[in-house]
Amino acid sequence: DAGITQSPRHKVTETGTPVTLRCHQTENHRYMYWYRQDPGHGLRLIHYSYGVKDTDKGEVSDGYSVSRSKTEDFLLTLESATSSQTSVYFCAIGGSTWGNTIYFGEGSWLTVV
Amino acid sequence: GQQLNQSPQSMFIQEGEDVSMNCTSSSIFNTWLWYKQDPGEGPVLLIALYKAGELTSNGRLTAQFGITRKDSFLNISASIPSDVGIYFCAGQRSGNQFYFGTGTSLTVIP
Repeated sequence: DAGITQSPRHKVTETGTPVTLRCHQTENHRYMYWYRQDPGHGLRLIHYSYGVKDTDKGEVSDGYSVSRSKTEDFLLTLESATSSQTSVYFCAIGGSTWGNTIYFGEGSWLTVV
Repeated sequence: GQQLNQSPQSMFIQEGEDVSMNCTSSSIFNTWLWYKQDPGEGPVLLIALYKAGELTSNGRLTAQFGITRKDSFLNISASIPSDVGIYFCAGQRSGNQFYFGTGTSLTVIP
């Protein structure tokens, strides 16, 4: 296991409410990623981080924000959840400083009703 | 976004058969990765490829980095029931962004 913990693993929330997903790593790795997985779309990058307080947008970043105040934690926030954000969210760590590979957490299932 | 075309979308095979799947892109990649995902879990890395033409095996799995650097292939020999799952390819260009295919769903019939 790559030492990645996601929380919560499952959440149901109402439209318009804020939601924060947490990714915690024990590998002291520089790069961390948030992906969402939807049927027919595979895994799409939301945001990634290349260090404390250093983040950048991925291909589906609208409606999401991230923060990384410590190396081990990468938070994904939905400021005002919408039904289109119902998805499975995966955190990953890795990148060019780890053999150009990335390793995934177990996922967070989010349902927005 | 970056498009990786993965085929086939799904496969239904008899136990013991060999499996082939591929991933293509209009862009050149520096690294190709192959993952397997079981239901309710995160993708697990199977094979990493770093060089055009490279052929790498992991047990019954063999993957190749295409010569053009725009494609990659995964073969599974003598399939068994535990091979069931969704297989994803991923490519990495410059920088640290990884782009994923839409997956191949594999069903193995005992």
